[in-house]
Amino acid sequence: GQNIDQPTEMTATEGAIVQINCTYQTSGFNGLFWYQQHAGEAPTFLSYNVLDGLEEKGRFSSFLSRSKGYSYLLLKELQMKDSASYLCAVGNSNYQLIWGAGTKLIIKP
Amino acid sequence: IAGITQAPTSQILAAGRRMTLRCTQDMRHNAMYWYRQDLGLGLRLIHYSNTAGTTGKGEVPDGYSVSRANTDDFPLTLASAVPSQTSVYFCASSDGTEYNEQFFGPGTRLTVL
Repeated sequence: GQNIDQPTEMTATEGAIVQINCTYQTSGFNGLFWYQQHAGEAPTFLSYNVLDGLEEKGRFSSFLSRSKGYSYLLLKELQMKDSASYLCAVGNSNYQLIWGAGTKLIIKP
Repeated sequence: IAGITQAPTSQILAAGRRMTLRCTQDMRHNAMYWYRQDLGLGLRLIHYSNTAGTTGKGEVPDGYSVSRANTDDFPLTLASAVPSQTSVYFCASSDGTEYNEQFFGPGTRLTVL
């Protein structure tokens, strides 16, 4: 079967660093996406990894290890506006995205 | 229109009624998708279309139908709504290639009583 696992909820402090992990098993692999979703809003694209390694984009970085079926999203210098759900999604061999249930990140002052 | 629009924004519907959720994109994307999102379950694919004139079933297609008469529009119909179809529905589109970044509409919050 196909499945994506990520923690349900995480809590972090404003100004700190948090790492959100994602493990996956899919039929085929066409890249891994991270999306951000604020409460009551649509998901929006954050990052994409197709090769092993780290992709950095400002305060956000995403890492991929294809051999381990593993990714993480690293958020630095946390701000209150980073409170949101973070969705991990993997492209499969049918060019569709398989979605994790999302990690709700709570930022405390 | 910029991106993807959905209508209505929200709807309360009596069980047994027929309902069509509308989705329109102006990015000339080949592929379009309908998802439902329920607490704790994430996004689940209902139906998809890889190109105009074709549609396919996703993970949870029962009770729903779609059509894709042209590139821009991808309506989702509930033939006879049931309370378990209470959810937030998102339409998305992508260019349908290996790099499958999907762009989402604002969603429709549907309550079936």
